[in-house]
Amino acid sequence: KAGVTQTPRYLIKTRGQQVTLSCSPISGHRSVSWYQQTPGQGLQFLFEYFSETQRNKGNFPGRFSGRQFSNSRSEMNVSTLELGDSALYLCASRAGTDYGYTFGSGTRLTVV
Amino acid sequence: GQQVMQIPQYQHVQEGEDFTTYCNSSTTLSNIQWYKQRPGGHPVFLIQLVKSGEVKKQKRLTFQFGEAKKNSSLHITATQTTDVGTYFCAGEKTSYDKVIFGPGTSLSVIP
Repeated sequence: KAGVTQTPRYLIKTRGQQVTLSCSPISGHRSVSWYQQTPGQGLQFLFEYFSETQRNKGNFPGRFSGRQFSNSRSEMNVSTLELGDSALYLCASRAGTDYGYTFGSGTRLTVV
Repeated sequence: GQQVMQIPQYQHVQEGEDFTTYCNSSTTLSNIQWYKQRPGGHPVFLIQLVKSGEVKKQKRLTFQFGEAKKNSSLHITATQTTDVGTYFCAGEKTSYDKVIFGPGTSLSVIP
């Protein structure tokens, strides 16, 4: 059974640019969540999608957005990148609320 | 908003010693989850506790969920070098709420 796949693994972007990250959850998992991980702030919740609908949202500015497709694949977009957006972005999926998350290996974004 | 705290932030132990990390939530939780992240890796799910006062064991790891469902602990008996990593607790207020992670406890094991 394939795990959660995130692409790309690494990205270097310039301030002001925008970026799109992709996540393919485990087959059959309809819940997909995104987290930002930085050394100083730990794992910060970005948003959760379930059946193409945003179910929960964290406390991030509107520059951070996401969506989920009918096949449960998800993307997140960050516009007008800032240096502080440099982080590991983790996607996680789960079969339901009675289960834990399976995380992908993450996309490491560096903004220069 | 909902906050999840963990102590200690760091713990260094000699191999063979025991280790405990504590997790506290500002609100009552419907469940608590524990994850382990090895250096350079991603979080890996260990266990979920849902009942008040629940205790679960996985080999040398013992997990507890407090009676008030606001705190939890993870205890490792006789640590090994393979236990190195950061242990996160995570919880949600209701089954369909966002899952909030604690800041983690980083465990170092000295051989």
